[in-house]
Amino acid sequence: AQSVTQLGSHVSVSEGALVLLRCNYSSSVPPYLFWYVQYPNQGLQLLLKYTTGATLVKGINGFEAEFKKSETSFHLTKPSAHMSDAAEYFCAVSWGSGGLTFGKGTHLIIQP
Amino acid sequence: DTAVSQTPKYLVTQMGNDKSIKCEQNLGHDTMYWYKQDSKKFLKIMFSYNNKELIINETVPNRFSPKSPDKAHLNLHINSLELGDSAVYFCASSPRPPGSYNSPLHFGNGTRLTVT
Repeated sequence: AQSVTQLGSHVSVSEGALVLLRCNYSSSVPPYLFWYVQYPNQGLQLLLKYTTGATLVKGINGFEAEFKKSETSFHLTKPSAHMSDAAEYFCAVSWGSGGLTFGKGTHLIIQP
Repeated sequence: DTAVSQTPKYLVTQMGNDKSIKCEQNLGHDTMYWYKQDSKKFLKIMFSYNNKELIINETVPNRFSPKSPDKAHLNLHINSLELGDSAVYFCASSPRPPGSYNSPLHFGNGTRLTVT
């Protein structure tokens, strides 16, 4: 079964610093990977998705993710954190019947 | 314009009661889902419907029964509510049929169910 592992349930960075949220996937076939963001008391919003092709994927709000097959990783980055980036971030992998399997989430804290 | 809407947003009820959560999407999508998010933020799929037909039914107690009157609606009915049912329930929809791996899901804002 396909799965994703997010390293670090909580990540704290200073405003203006680099954001790095880690995601590793387990898949026997080329995966379809997604990053979602959940702001407090809201649903999940798609940040970006990887299909086959370009390894660097750009998303909304200045986020991007790099697909590295050799490391089975799909880490999410943002060059400069903003206070409004504080939220829960989920990595997810697509599977057969069209559903998504989510990682356990990473809570991003932005220090002023 | 609300794409995926759920009602109610909050639901507080006592053990043993029966309750329903409604979901509607105006995106014209064929596939709809119910996900459960527990207190630790873990998201788990419960059900999926494609064009009113059940296609995913994860290991969920049969007290939970989804109903899809048309492809724009997917409701969730829960019988004999238990304390462990307390969670946030998310409805989602997807534009592609099952097996289309690169389709993102569009989520509603969730229904926070509290069973006392």
